[in-house]
This record gives sequence, structure tokens and C-alpha cells, in this order.
Amino acid sequence: DTGVSQNPRHKITKRGQNVTFRCDPISEHNRLYWYRQTLGQGPEFLTYFQNEAQLEKSRLLSDRFSAERPKGSFSTLEIQRTEQGDSAMYLCASSLMGAEYGYTFGSGTRLTVV
Amino acid sequence: DQQVKQNSPSLSVQEGRISILNCDYTNSMFDYFLWYKKYPAEGPTFLISISSIKDKNEDGRFTVFLNKSAKHLSLHIVPSQPGDSAVYFCAASGRTGNQFYFGTGTSLTVIP
Repeated sequence: DTGVSQNPRHKITKRGQNVTFRCDPISEHNRLYWYRQTLGQGPEFLTYFQNEAQLEKSRLLSDRFSAERPKGSFSTLEIQRTEQGDSAMYLCASSLMGAEYGYTFGSGTRLTVV
Repeated sequence: DQQVKQNSPSLSVQEGRISILNCDYTNSMFDYFLWYKKYPAEGPTFLISISSIKDKNEDGRFTVFLNKSAKHLSLHIVPSQPGDSAVYFCAASGRTGNQFYFGTGTSLTVIP
């Protein structure tokens, strides 16, 4: 098991384009999370899946953002009509146990919108 | 609104001495408090946690203290080592752990 894998590591896109990121969690983890981190800030919660069900979404997740986790395995996060304010590090994490054990984060996808 | 705050953006400590990183929170409903460590170009790595029913938790060189009445927690690293140099994030969640609120981080530099 190589941990949480995120692809691509970096993405540069023009404003208005759509982008999609992929996250492969640790295989036995049934919970998957997306967070976003901008410069000088801590990670901010975007959305949470338990198996294939998307159970929570942040107000930060505008209608241009959509996340899926088909079959409860990997997940994708799509951003439509990207804006410069979407430039950030997008972090995926997974967990199996309770809150006190924290999450295992991936290395993130850095998005730059030009 | 920032529910978890780390008011010190940076901290420098000599190798072998104690590092103390502080965190304040506003939501009395938080049940779990975690510390994460982050190196450049990597995701945060879970370090240590404490639940609201405890006031102290130790794991090797790392100890977390929780003062619920003051809504304050701290991470002590003793002795500090150069490899501890990283950004440390404090995070808090409710009982389910479905959403963590993170502070803005403290950059620790341990000077050899």
C-alpha cells in the first residue's frame, strides 16, 4: 500500500477551462475527503464521502465544483469554468477509523489558473 | 470565521531544547484535536491527537496538552531535532471527524 495517491501533481490551466483531479485512497479506507489549501492558510474542507455516498459538502464548494466516488474506490474532483481564485493546492485524504486517528493525506494537486 | 487559530506564524528553537506550539479554538463543541506536520511539496502527516475528555496525551517526544476552559491546546516537542523543522497545523473536529477545521500553521525551525 503506497498511501493516498493524487494525480496530476501539478496542473496549469487557462481561465474558463475545466479541470479534473483524481484521488486513489488507501484501499481499505471507506472515508474520503477533499480539502483545499491556499498560500498561508490551513487546509479547508470541501467535501466528504463514505463509500460512494457524498455525505457532506462545504459552502466553499460552488456549483462549478463536483466530486464523485464511483463504486466507493477512487474519487474525482472536477472544476468547471475555472477562475483565478481557484488556484490552490487540492488535497485528498482518506480514513478508516474515528476522528482521533486523523486522516492520511495525499501530496496534493497544485492548480494554477492563468 | 476562523474557528482554529495559530497566532505564531513561525518559531525557531535550538536543537535539544523544547519547542512549544500553541493553538486556540472558539467552538466548545469540538471533540477531537489533532496536530499535523507538513513538509514542502507533501501533504500533511498526522502527528498526535487528543480527545476532549483528556487533558494530556504523549507519544514519544511529542506531548499535546488541552485546556478546555481556555479553549487552548499546545504541542510540546522535547528534545527538538533538526528533522522536526516543518509547518505544524492544529486541527479540530466534532465527534464524527467528518470535517476538520485547521489553523493557519506555525513554521518551526530547529537550529542545529
